[in-house]
Amino acid sequence: AQRVTQPEKLLSVFKGAPVELKCNYSYSGSPELFWYVQYSRQRLQLLLRHISRESIKGFTADLNKGETSFHLKKPFAQEEDSAMYYCALKFAGRRALTFGSGTRLQVQP
Amino acid sequence: DAGVIQSPRHEVTEMGQEVTLRCKPISGHNSLFWYRQTMMRGLELLIYFNNNVPIDDSGMPEDRFSAKMPNASFSTLKIQPSEPRDSAVYFCASSLTSGSTNSYNEQFFGPGTRLTVL
Repeated sequence: AQRVTQPEKLLSVFKGAPVELKCNYSYSGSPELFWYVQYSRQRLQLLLRHISRESIKGFTADLNKGETSFHLKKPFAQEEDSAMYYCALKFAGRRALTFGSGTRLQVQP
Repeated sequence: DAGVIQSPRHEVTEMGQEVTLRCKPISGHNSLFWYRQTMMRGLELLIYFNNNVPIDDSGMPEDRFSAKMPNASFSTLKIQPSEPRDSAVYFCASSLTSGSTNSYNEQFFGPGTRLTVL
């Protein structure tokens, strides 16, 4: 079965420290993977997708098919990065996304 | 554009009562998704519609849950009878999809409805 695992419910770091939010997936086909973010009092929104291979707000994520991972990274965390982050998987033939359980990132001053 | 609109934003009800959540997707979007967010399980898909037709309702917990999309601009999620374990935040999302199901089109989320069943 297709599954997305985010092992950490909470990740707390200090401002300026590197951040890595872990995401692992199980899917035998070619996945499309995404990171969504929900800031306090805001709507859930798309942060980035692996196909774009872009950096958004300093965040990057690389798809590692060997390790079936799609970890989200940022070299220097900012306080405004504090939010709930969801990793999501889209598999072929289905429009809907399968989300992980989410990781709350707290960036302390 | 106000984006996806959901109502009510908060709902408190007693066990056994009927609850109806409403969603207005972004104008022109043809896919609509209902998700439920809980602390324990995160964000789970309940059901999604494409061109007003339910495509996948495998995430609907049980017969107490039902969803309809009578037209392109409105959808409801109904729980009857409600139970305390239904307490969660319910999100509606919409997207403009075209072509095959292998292509991805960004989903835009509403603000959610926080449901508390006492």
